[in-house]
Parts: sequence; C-alpha cells; structure tokens
Amino acid sequence: QVQLVESGGGVVQPGRSLRLSCAASEFTFSYYAMHWVRQAPGKGLEWVSVISSDGSKKYYADSVKGRFTISRDSSKNTLYLQMNSLRPDDTAVYYCARDDGSPRGAFDIWGQGTMVTVSS
Amino acid sequence: SSELTQDPAVSVALGQTVRITCQGDFLGNYYASWYRQKPGQAPVLVLSGESHRPSGIPDRFSGSTSGNTASLTITGAQAEDEGDYYCSSRDTFGNHVVFGGGTTVTVL
Repeated sequence: QVQLVESGGGVVQPGRSLRLSCAASEFTFSYYAMHWVRQAPGKGLEWVSVISSDGSKKYYADSVKGRFTISRDSSKNTLYLQMNSLRPDDTAVYYCARDDGSPRGAFDIWGQGTMVTVSS
Repeated sequence: SSELTQDPAVSVALGQTVRITCQGDFLGNYYASWYRQKPGQAPVLVLSGESHRPSGIPDRFSGSTSGNTASLTITGAQAEDEGDYYCSSRDTFGNHVVFGGGTTVTVL
C-alpha cells in the first residue's frame, strides 16, 4: 500500500550532524511535494520543511533555516533531511509527509516517524 | 502573526456533537486541514478544506470556515474519535505551513 518509511534517527551530540531518509512506495514519488514535520516529546506538531515535486523549490521553518537541508532523489523514491549544527531543542520525532497536491494543501500520507535525540 | 490557535482540550459525551476551532489571521485565504493523532502513532488526515474526507474517515466529521476561524465538527462522537486534533494551514506567504497547538478530545 502507499507508504512512507523514515530512517536515520538516533542519539547525537550537540553540534553534530545527522541525515534522515524517507522511503516512499506504491505511488509516483516524483509527482508530489514532500514535507518534514517534527514533534518534540509531549509537544505539538511543528512543520520543518517542504520540497517541490521536482526539487527546485525548498522552504524551511525559521527554527531550522541555515542548518537543515531538504532534498530528494526520485530515482530512489527517497526524501532526505540533512541536519547540521544540531541543538538539544531539535530533539523530536521527525515525520515525512506527502502533500496531496490539491489547493487544500493537506498532508495525506505520513510515515511512522524516526526519533532524533540531541544530547551530550 | 503566523499562528493558529486551538483550545487545549474539549470533552464530549458518547454520541453527542463536539466542535473544535482553529483561529488564524490567514485562514480567510487558505484552507485548513485537520489531523488526529493517537498516543504513539503518526497523525492521520481526517479532513481538508470544508468537506474533503480521505477514504476511511466517517461522514460524522465535517468542517466549516467563518472569517479567520476554521472548525471541525464531530457529529455523534464515538470512543475511537478520542485523540489530539491539530489544524494546519499555509501561512501568509503560502510557502510555509503552520500547525495549531492541538486540541485533546475526550469522549466520555
């Protein structure tokens, strides 16, 4: 079935880097914009970044701009999030989500999430 | 401001109706979407715009917008409707996305 599977989370020290991956299956990945959304422990959802279907446009939340980079490889049906200069407040479950492409701009498919813990 | 405001919690008796609201300056320009999240699970889309329900979402979920306030109504709430509900929308410039703080729905 249509699915997104994140990987790459783990425990990392402040200031270090981590790259998350999101593997898409059972849909035409190259047709859809894709997002990253995170959720700190016990907190609400926070949008992180979006990349257009062709990868030409990328936008970031102010909280991660200049530190995180979103990218995609349509030949591998995979979305990435390169996270540099990590801080303790980046600790969260990171979800990838598909943009449904409609004017409503909803996230119709979500992955199960991958946990990132930034701690010394 | 780039914020969406939700009440932190609401409760509803089994079978009754509950409305969850989401207030934001740009909701008059952009659609709201609604997600339900159960503990330890990823969010699930329950409604986008005023009436678009994904496959598998029952028709007791409906939406509306008035001015800068979007609402999600559950008519005849069931036990399985419990969870945290988040609204989202594009922000002022349309390129970023904003989530509300979430509303915990308890079915009594």
